[in-house]
Amino acid sequence: NAGVMQNPRHLVRRRGQEARLRCSPMKGHSHVYWYRQLPEEGLKFMVYLQKENIIDESGMPKERFSAEFPKEGPSILRIQQVVRGDSAAYFCASTVLEYTDTQYFGPGTRLTVL
Amino acid sequence: DQQVKQNSPSLSVQEGRISILNCDYTNSMFDYFLWYKKYPAEGPTFLISISSIKDKNEDGRFTVFLNKSAKHLSLHIVPSQPGDSAVYFCAASAVISGAGSYQLTFGKGTKLSVIP
Repeated sequence: NAGVMQNPRHLVRRRGQEARLRCSPMKGHSHVYWYRQLPEEGLKFMVYLQKENIIDESGMPKERFSAEFPKEGPSILRIQQVVRGDSAAYFCASTVLEYTDTQYFGPGTRLTVL
Repeated sequence: DQQVKQNSPSLSVQEGRISILNCDYTNSMFDYFLWYKKYPAEGPTFLISISSIKDKNEDGRFTVFLNKSAKHLSLHIVPSQPGDSAVYFCAASAVISGAGSYQLTFGKGTKLSVIP
């Protein structure tokens, strides 16, 4: 039973480029959360999605960041025109139902902006 | 404003002894609490959880205690093993109250080192 998959595991971008991070939830899970972890910090909530629906994006920066979870395929976190401050580890988590809080996390994508 | 606080960045414990990791929270809407363990370059792994209707939950060597009046929870690991060495994150959410979208609010973590 495969866990939450994220790719790529490491991503290097230059300032101004776009970063696309992908997350495939656990089999049977239809709810995805994205979190960001800055160095020496805890994980911070960014966005919560169900298939084809953004439920809560209150943790997303207002500009340059977007997320989607299409009917088919993985969830995508997209960062346009990256800046050095975007360098962080980005984790996604999935749950089977909306009212269970045992979120299962993927291994993360470490984004480095040069 | 940090709503979940882990005031000890690190903790060292001898193998076989008890490890006690502490966590405090400020948001009275939180009613579900979780502990995650994290190794470097990996995602957090779920360990144990507790809802606000309980004050204790046990799973093998891991026990979580919740003191609602003090807004404090702790994770006990007995006996501690070298493989337990990792960063432990406390997380909280508002499930029963329905406030928010079940997002987790994390502390900054405590790095546990179990010395053989």
